[in-house]
Amino acid sequence: AQSVTQPDIHITVSEGASLELRCNYSYGATPYLFWYVQSPGQGLQLLLKYFSGDTLVQGIKGFEAEFKRSQSSFNLRKPSVHWSDAAEYFCAVGAGDSGYALNFGKGTSLLVTP
Amino acid sequence: AAGVIQSPRHLIKEKRETATLKCYPIPRHDTVYWYQQGPGQDPQFLISFYEKMQSDKGSIPDRFSAQQFSDYHSELNMSSLELGDSALYFCASSSPGLTDTQYFGPGTRLTVL
Repeated sequence: AQSVTQPDIHITVSEGASLELRCNYSYGATPYLFWYVQSPGQGLQLLLKYFSGDTLVQGIKGFEAEFKRSQSSFNLRKPSVHWSDAAEYFCAVGAGDSGYALNFGKGTSLLVTP
Repeated sequence: AAGVIQSPRHLIKEKRETATLKCYPIPRHDTVYWYQQGPGQDPQFLISFYEKMQSDKGSIPDRFSAQQFSDYHSELNMSSLELGDSALYFCASSSPGLTDTQYFGPGTRLTVL
């Protein structure tokens, strides 16, 4: 079954520092991969997605992610973190019989310090 | 731009009661997904509908049922509520030809007392 692992439950970075959130997936074929962000008590906002083609994808809010098939990874990066980036980040893979229902990782909680 | 609308935003019920959650997808989106997110948990897929037919089924309890109507809105019906059903329930929609990109609503927070 398709699954996603986010190894880091919590990450703390200083404002202005670079950020990398890890995501590993388990899937037999080329997966549909997503990163969503969730602020407390809010809905899920799509940051970026990968289906095929260029393995480096750009998203909103200055985020990017790189698909590495050899490492089964889809890590999220941002060169300079802002305090407003503090939130919960979920990596997800398209799964289910239709291939579209999402399997989410457990999430990584990002704390940004001054 | 129009987003996914969910109602109500908050709902408080007693054990063994029933609840109905509604989802209005983005205009011209024909696919709806329901997810349940427990406290401190990741969202879990419950069920989805495409063109008013069930397209996929996840970990939805037998006490829950859902349907999609002719105007593409969807309702999640929950009966015999249990304390463990307290969660944030998200609806997401996607458009024809782009069914792989889901846009989420703000969620309905259900509290069962």
